[in-house]
Amino acid sequence: EVQLLESGGGLIQPGGSLRLSCAGSGFTFTSHAMSWVRQAPGKGLDWVSTSSHSSGNTFYGDSVRGRFTITRDNSENTLYLQMHSLRVEDTAVYYCARRGGTDGWGAFDVWGQGTMVTVSS
Amino acid sequence: ETVLTQSPATLSLSPGERATLSCWASQNIARELAWYQQKPGQAPRLLIYDASNRASGIPARFSGSGSGTDFTLTISSLEPEDFAIYYCQQRNNWPLSFGGGTKVEIK
Repeated sequence: EVQLLESGGGLIQPGGSLRLSCAGSGFTFTSHAMSWVRQAPGKGLDWVSTSSHSSGNTFYGDSVRGRFTITRDNSENTLYLQMHSLRVEDTAVYYCARRGGTDGWGAFDVWGQGTMVTVSS
Repeated sequence: ETVLTQSPATLSLSPGERATLSCWASQNIARELAWYQQKPGQAPRLLIYDASNRASGIPARFSGSGSGTDFTLTISSLEPEDFAIYYCQQRNNWPLSFGGGTKVEIK
């Protein structure tokens, strides 16, 4: 079964740091670009970041560029999101998502269950 | 940056009725648009990719059309499990972007 399992969320104070993890299983991890998408409480979906298959190329949304870093360990089939200088507005459920298609750059075809990050004093 | 605008924000319909959801892109995105369904407390689920291709396991009552800047998701006959929020998303250019969503609610 194709699966993504996120972990690492929690309550953190403004200005703090947190690292999220996403373990993939049931598919060839290196065949897909991987992404993080977040959803603030009661709000819509917000793309955060994408890593290419080999992590040679990374892309970020304007609101997180310079504060968040996406990496992946293909030997462990795991995607990471290192978050620094966290703000109250970063409070959201963070989803890990696989990009599908034959080239691995398609739509988000597999999603994890999400991990909640709450930034509050 | 491509802004996606979904309309309407809320659609009130009865089971068995046809639902038509729209998504407009602020620039030409070819056919690189996807549709997702999200139910409360759940992760989004891919319905349609590249404007008109149904994802694996998606019922035939869901169909997508459009290209360039105008896109449509149609649910031919609403089932009780179809009442949810629907998002469009483009992958044509960076940053990737989602529309604000359309909530399909029971009338």
